[in-house]
Amino acid sequence: EVQLVQSGAEVKKPGESLKISCTVSGYSFPTYWIGWVRQMPGKGLEWMGIIFPADSDTRYSPSFQGQVTISADKSISTAYLQWSSLRASDTAIYYCAKTRITGTYLGGIDSWGQGTLVTVSS
Amino acid sequence: SYVLAQPPSVSVAPGQTARITCGGNNIGRISVHWYQQKPGQAPVLVVYDDFDRPSGIPERFAGSHSGNTATLTISRVEAGDEADYYCQVWDTSSDHYVFGTGTKVTVL
Repeated sequence: EVQLVQSGAEVKKPGESLKISCTVSGYSFPTYWIGWVRQMPGKGLEWMGIIFPADSDTRYSPSFQGQVTISADKSISTAYLQWSSLRASDTAIYYCAKTRITGTYLGGIDSWGQGTLVTVSS
Repeated sequence: SYVLAQPPSVSVAPGQTARITCGGNNIGRISVHWYQQKPGQAPVLVVYDDFDRPSGIPERFAGSHSGNTATLTISRVEAGDEADYYCQVWDTSSDHYVFGTGTKVTVL
């Protein structure tokens, strides 16, 4: 069974750094692209970016380029999303998401993590 | 960046048909995926590559597209279909996925 398990909720202050994780099981982590999606309170889904763990090839949505860093550690089947300096506007639920087809980012997303709530408030 | 426009809401009576549109420039020429998201839950893929369904998704969910519009049709709507629905495509010009604005389906 494919599982994506995300790290727990975080409460941070503006300006602080943060790294959240997504640990997978049940499939070959290196060979499927894995992405991150933001959902601000009461709002829709926003695509942030995607990484291919086998070689760390990463593609960012223009809206998030330079704002976050996506990385992956093949040795522990874990993907990460990190911020160097959080803002109140980063308050949202963040989902990790596995692509449906091995080796390509095309084909849609077939598995999702449970979401990590990040709250940024002074 | 590629823009996908969806109606904010669709209301439908139980047993009737709901149609959710997703408008984008020449969307008929690229693959469209559809997701269902219920309150407090992660999204679920209901249609991929325009009209294919993952295992476990009822045949009541059907995708189609033509020209500048893709459509998710939910036949014989049930109370459990009440959710937000999002279309998604890969924007080849800037190499990233794009979600539609989302449609809230209300079952009357």
